[in-house]
Amino acid sequence: DVKVTQSSRYLVKRTGEKVFLECVQDMDHENMFWYRQDPGLGLRLIYFSYDVKMKEKGDIPEGYSVSREKKERFSLILESASTNQTSMYLCASSLAGRGDRGYGYTFGSGTRLTVV
Amino acid sequence: SQQGEEDPQALSIQEGENATMNCSYKTSINNLQWYRQNSGRGLVHLILIRSNEREKHSGRLRVTLDTSKKSSSLLITASRAADTASYFCATRGSGSARQLTFGSGTQLTVLP
Repeated sequence: DVKVTQSSRYLVKRTGEKVFLECVQDMDHENMFWYRQDPGLGLRLIYFSYDVKMKEKGDIPEGYSVSREKKERFSLILESASTNQTSMYLCASSLAGRGDRGYGYTFGSGTRLTVV
Repeated sequence: SQQGEEDPQALSIQEGENATMNCSYKTSINNLQWYRQNSGRGLVHLILIRSNEREKHSGRLRVTLDTSKKSSSLLITASRAADTASYFCATRGSGSARQLTFGSGTQLTVLP
């Protein structure tokens, strides 16, 4: 069964801490994505990556960075956690799609991060 | 960035009834996708419809796409209590964009 695995289901961190959220996929997908989900705001894209060592900013990259050193792993880093980063974080992956081809995303189960 | 907007925000029906959810978007798209999310979990891909398609079926799911109106609908027939979840539409823009933009979702409750 193909899978996207997020390292933690629940995480509590203190304000100012550096936080690492890990995501690993076993499907050899080229694309990987980080979203955050907040009530009433839906899913908002933070960063995504098309390939190893490639990264692109999404709609809300401020306060975040990412790392993709290996194809299967995409890490989200909160440089200095703040309370407004309390959220559900969702990682997803997909095959690359060109032109009219498109593929669905496979999501991880999510990490619910609370910053206190 | 463009965004799908689902309508209604919440829908409550009896088991066995059909559920219809609508999605509108703002700019031209490559494809539109529907996802389901059970409470507190990740999203699960349900169905993808390309911009040159008008209708698609998968089991009890039927999706339509009207690019002239920039809208899509998801129909779940003969609903079950297990269909209770949030449903999201997501659009992939035309051109080179690879990322999806998600709407805020419809919360479907199917009462037994």
